[in-house]
Amino acid sequence: QKEVEQNSGPLSVPEGAIASLNCTYSDRGSQSFFWYRQYSGKSPELIMSIYSNGDKEDGRFTAQLNKASQYVSLLIRDSQPSDSATYLCATMGGRGAQKLVFGQGTRLTINP
Amino acid sequence: EAGVAQSPRYKIIEKRQSVAFWCNPISGHATLYWYQQILGQGPKLLIQFQNNGVVDDSQLPKDRFSAERLKGVDSTLKIQPAKLEDSAVYLCASSSPKGQILSYNEQFFGPGTRLTVL
Repeated sequence: QKEVEQNSGPLSVPEGAIASLNCTYSDRGSQSFFWYRQYSGKSPELIMSIYSNGDKEDGRFTAQLNKASQYVSLLIRDSQPSDSATYLCATMGGRGAQKLVFGQGTRLTINP
Repeated sequence: EAGVAQSPRYKIIEKRQSVAFWCNPISGHATLYWYQQILGQGPKLLIQFQNNGVVDDSQLPKDRFSAERLKGVDSTLKIQPAKLEDSAVYLCASSSPKGQILSYNEQFFGPGTRLTVL
């Protein structure tokens, strides 16, 4: 079992719709959860961090965390073509202490 | 605030040759990380430094990879000798803890070095 699992996609969403990206993790001791956006040929860019159960909103982005279900999600409202990228879910804490453990990423395409 | 700097951006070498990458973290960030990202995968941690000490190098192939951060600021990662499977992007990241909980620290990545081993 992978430590952090994501559907690799590609996920195709029409412009203006809500894109929903999901992630599950295996280490129950994980304390911190992150979403990174990675454009093709570029390095990962941090877009959201979440540490406690519930929702965290930042502009068009909402991160959701459910530690009981070991599940993290990212919602992108009013999707734009510029949101087309690979989204990486990462966890930290637990056995890994300060080490980020990444999923393989979900490739998202926003269709105009 | 300047971001994480890395050089070179691209490197092409033949197998069995050696190569070195350089990273300068965000000013004031005590923790520095080197990740390897193979195409189609998420980054994988190779080594983590706290100031000039190694915190985690459990996934560093020590027979061929080495890294140092002598003065607790910039760092170099070396591969000697390189293998075909080392072709990847090598990412450097740095972080500074938010408050007392060490795992509440956000990591920021440099632009990476794309290594091709022929």
